[in-house]
Amino acid sequence: QQPVQSPQAVILREGEDAVINCSSSKALYSVHWYRQKHGEAPVFLMILLKGGEQKGHDKISASFNEKKQQSSLYLTASQLSYSGTYFCGTAPPRDDKIIFGKGTRLHILP
Amino acid sequence: DAGITQSPRHKVTETGTPVTLRCHQTENHRYMYWYRQDPGHGLRLIHYSYGVKDTDKGEVSDGYSVSRSKTEDFLLTLESATSSQTSVYFCAISESILVGNSYEQYFGPGTRLTVT
Repeated sequence: QQPVQSPQAVILREGEDAVINCSSSKALYSVHWYRQKHGEAPVFLMILLKGGEQKGHDKISASFNEKKQQSSLYLTASQLSYSGTYFCGTAPPRDDKIIFGKGTRLHILP
Repeated sequence: DAGITQSPRHKVTETGTPVTLRCHQTENHRYMYWYRQDPGHGLRLIHYSYGVKDTDKGEVSDGYSVSRSKTEDFLLTLESATSSQTSVYFCAISESILVGNSYEQYFGPGTRLTVT
């Protein structure tokens, strides 16, 4: 079952912060975050595992709330290069299939 | 960067014709995946493979078949293409970076297929 992402789209000015949420109706083992720029392939950002710590990648970090079956992606002091569509994906334990959400479009204005 | 290529990169075909898309990797990764991407739907898994001749269905497998006779190649076939199969198709491979059986995926450049 596809995880639900919110918001569907967001427009920010350079330097502002953004939060993208991902929720699932099923218990999660892992949450995967990818970014896709227009006309390109999705690129891996990070994985969060059940029981693991909050991850960070430059000024992009994420959290994983197992009880709420949610993950959030935090983009701090956004840069123009952050523009793109962000996908979260979820996977149950011992499963190599990732089910992706529909994506969140992020547009950064100068 | 993982070595993944897809061919063709663009294809226009007519309804009812068979189409085969190829994904080729040079990384010797065990897992390979086929996704389709459509506006408003995100990435949806069609089929995946966890080894030579070992494949399984994903979320949207109807109308598609796959084959993997070699580690490096994963073929996606549309036996009789329909207009609803117009989409961008991505292949992905995964390597294990974690003990807990959860893998990051590397995506190929995509194939844009138009069925008229």
